[in-house]
Amino acid sequence: DGGITQSPKYLFRKEGQNVTLSCEQNLNHDAMYWYRQDPGQGLRLIYYSQIVNDFQKGDIAEGYSVSREKKESFPLTVTSAQKNPTAFYLCASSIERGRPEAFFGQGTRLTVV
Amino acid sequence: DAKTTQPPSMDCAEGRAANLPCNHSTISGNEYVYWYRQIHSQGPQYIIHGLKNNETNEMASLIITEDRKSSTLILPHATLRDTAVYYCIVRFYYNQGGKLIFGQGTELSVKP
Repeated sequence: DGGITQSPKYLFRKEGQNVTLSCEQNLNHDAMYWYRQDPGQGLRLIYYSQIVNDFQKGDIAEGYSVSREKKESFPLTVTSAQKNPTAFYLCASSIERGRPEAFFGQGTRLTVV
Repeated sequence: DAKTTQPPSMDCAEGRAANLPCNHSTISGNEYVYWYRQIHSQGPQYIIHGLKNNETNEMASLIITEDRKSSTLILPHATLRDTAVYYCIVRFYYNQGGKLIFGQGTELSVKP
């Protein structure tokens, strides 16, 4: 079945360590996105990519990095520069850039201790 | 993108219709109304969208007022699995970056 896979579902890291969250899609979608969600809050855009080898900062990109070497993959690295990394991270994709009928993964809950 | 206002929470009896309102009084002529829902600890799920006309799909119906300043999402026969936070989003169909701005949404509780 087509969809978006995020792994792992739960991730624990020590403060000061970089961590990479995986996002893979087999929907043949051009655009991919990373959002962050904090308890009781809406989603905030971290980074987005409209095409392979291209990506743009969202509203809260500081402390994060991404790559888009393949159409189906858009990994997110949470670096030690991110001051408050504990959150629920969601990856999404859409068939072409800008179209909002996005499909979301099941999320990765990152806890930094 | 225009802002939206939704009630923070609503209850609905199982099997009854759930009517979720959304106000978007500053919507512009080319902006669409989108609805997503998020079940606890899962990713949001696209439900439906519309511009002017009422829309229906297998999940829900969307009723948009003639002046387009408000809309209602209707789940015709709510089940316990429809318990979720429902987000109303207004934006242009093609928006640079594809950003979805999620507000606080409406927490719908479907009760037996």
